[in-house]
Amino acid sequence: DAGITQSPRHKVTETGTPVTLRCHQTENHRYMYWYRQDPGHGLRLIHYSYGVKDTDKGEVSDGYSVSRSKTEDFLLTLESATSSQTSVYFCAISESNMGIQETQYFGPGTRLLVL
Amino acid sequence: QQQVKQSPQSLIVQKGGIPIINCAYENTAFDYFPWYQQFPGKGPALLIAIRPDVSEKKEGRFTISFNKSAKQFSLHIMDSQPGDSATYFCAAIISNTGKLIFGQGTTLQVKP
Repeated sequence: DAGITQSPRHKVTETGTPVTLRCHQTENHRYMYWYRQDPGHGLRLIHYSYGVKDTDKGEVSDGYSVSRSKTEDFLLTLESATSSQTSVYFCAISESNMGIQETQYFGPGTRLLVL
Repeated sequence: QQQVKQSPQSLIVQKGGIPIINCAYENTAFDYFPWYQQFPGKGPALLIAIRPDVSEKKEGRFTISFNKSAKQFSLHIMDSQPGDSATYFCAAIISNTGKLIFGQGTTLQVKP
């Protein structure tokens, strides 16, 4: 999984509670991404980061926030979890070659169940 | 709005068969089209990729065919093996944005 770890790997939580997922990389790649995977939807981009403290929204960002205080760590926070956020969450990283980011490497995923 | 549409949703073939997975896209600004392979409990892994100025690319038993005018591309797996059983995702990206758009995925089962 290309030097990417995600924690926790599994989590069960209750509606309304805050949840933070962590992505840690050892590749020193500049770009980091959070996706969610749901049946029938493939993977959808939640937020991404193009450097320390530089983040932007993806396709399905509502209800999620992110932070990146170090190159190696990218945190995804669900401020108040809802059942619709039950999903498998993947972190990905990529490097830039002349401003082009093409190949993304994915972590092992975090399975989140919101009751 | 699904910018990349993938079919079929599932596919079953016998060992040695040639499964074909099709994708269609809408945005002509996409300039890189990767395919990812995902095994249960794992993250997606890049399998093969193509740029729109190339009509075909082969890597081992995997071939991408690309039709720019039709805005379609497909993955062919030659001499498929049970170990190829996985979920396959096509994707598209505008390279300088880093935003991958995925198809819905195809679950492939190769029977021995």
